[in-house]
Amino acid sequence: NAGVTQTPKFRVLKTGQSMTLLCAQDMNHEYMYWYRQDPGMGLRLIHYSVGEGTTAKGEVPDGYNVSRLKKQNFLLGLESAAPSQTSVYFCASSQAGMIGYTFGSGTRLTVV
Amino acid sequence: RKEVEQDPGPFNVPEGATVAFNCTYSNSASQSFFWYRQDCRKEPKLLMSVYSSGNEDGRFTAQLNRASQYISLLIRDSKLSDSATYLCVVALNYGQNFVFGPGTRLSVLP
Repeated sequence: NAGVTQTPKFRVLKTGQSMTLLCAQDMNHEYMYWYRQDPGMGLRLIHYSVGEGTTAKGEVPDGYNVSRLKKQNFLLGLESAAPSQTSVYFCASSQAGMIGYTFGSGTRLTVV
Repeated sequence: RKEVEQDPGPFNVPEGATVAFNCTYSNSASQSFFWYRQDCRKEPKLLMSVYSSGNEDGRFTAQLNRASQYISLLIRDSKLSDSATYLCVVALNYGQNFVFGPGTRLSVLP
């Protein structure tokens, strides 16, 4: 089925380790987003991209980097994981003029 | 002040009840408005868009008051399957840069 696919679905990291979360969409959407969701905080935008080769900071970008080398992929990197980055990460994509985002199923990350 | 605020909840209601959720937003330039539903440990999914004239989808009715910067969602004849967290979403443009409210959790009880 068409949609947004996130990998991995679960991960446990040790403090200081690095990892990359992958988001792939097959709907030819221009816009892609990375959010984190924490209890009581709602969804907060980390970084976003309005097209291939472009990225921009969202509300909570510190400690994360992103890349959009191909239109269909949006990568989120943690260079040196911290316990404060324990969260559920959602990727989403959209198209200008389109109603609504399409979300991936999320990545549950625990940093110990 | 947060950009999008919602009733803190949780709301616990019996089956068949009518329940209303409220949401306020701070950016008067906002152009598009939505309600999303998020089930426990799942991704958010679009429930409905919200238009100035008000719109209805079965048991769900959404209203927008631009002057008061206020959005509402009414659920009639609640079902057990309506139990979820309801997220109010506001954006400056269609399809871009949504701002999500913290959500209001609803539990419909048998």
